[in-house]
Amino acid sequence: DAKTTQPNSMESNEEEPVHLPCNHSTISGTDYIHWYRQLPSQGPEYVIHGLTSNVNNRMASLAIAEDRKSSTLILHRATLRDAAVYYCILRGTAGGTSYGKLTFGQGTILTVHP
Amino acid sequence: GAVVSQHPSWVICKSGTSVKIECRSLDFQATTMFWYRQFPKQSLMLMATSNEGSKATYEQGVEKDKFLINHASLTLSTLTVTSAHPEDSSFYICSAKLPGQGLGPQHFGDGTRLSIL
Repeated sequence: DAKTTQPNSMESNEEEPVHLPCNHSTISGTDYIHWYRQLPSQGPEYVIHGLTSNVNNRMASLAIAEDRKSSTLILHRATLRDAAVYYCILRGTAGGTSYGKLTFGQGTILTVHP
Repeated sequence: GAVVSQHPSWVICKSGTSVKIECRSLDFQATTMFWYRQFPKQSLMLMATSNEGSKATYEQGVEKDKFLINHASLTLSTLTVTSAHPEDSSFYICSAKLPGQGLGPQHFGDGTRLSIL
């Protein structure tokens, strides 16, 4: 599986935008870029995903570099409830019965200060 | 929509017993479900892919005889930890994807915290 690299931790203040970077220099042409987040003692929560174009939804925006070797998850106004571990994952087209499986890295621990 | 429910959310049992964890897709049918394990301060590790009506696919290093997976219906997959020991204590999480969305979002349950005494 292609690997992603994220900073171990980031901090933000409440109400400010947060830009969470992810490097994926070995991404293949058919890999989707997925972002999930995990709050303490909960299962991960889907945030957003994209292939080539920037994506927006009610939770966040995903900015994908033109060469697709990096991406940035943007939280427009951080709240205390956004404090979580954020995972950037490439979801590939490997065949077989594990099609589309997710491989989690260490993620970025986001701390939001009031 | 796309809710995945796990049961139980928390279980404590004695060493040597077997524990069954259920994963249900509440409002959609899931031909494929995934089982993960997460130790404290670590990331999620995929254990196996559960396919309705066929055998599960286990990741390298996961003992299939230790972690029995059954996906007998389109809305239910179960993970049984057989003869559990303290080293099996972990946070077990399942996920499912909507049919026809092979590379779309996965929807996760809230996890089951297993403690073996």
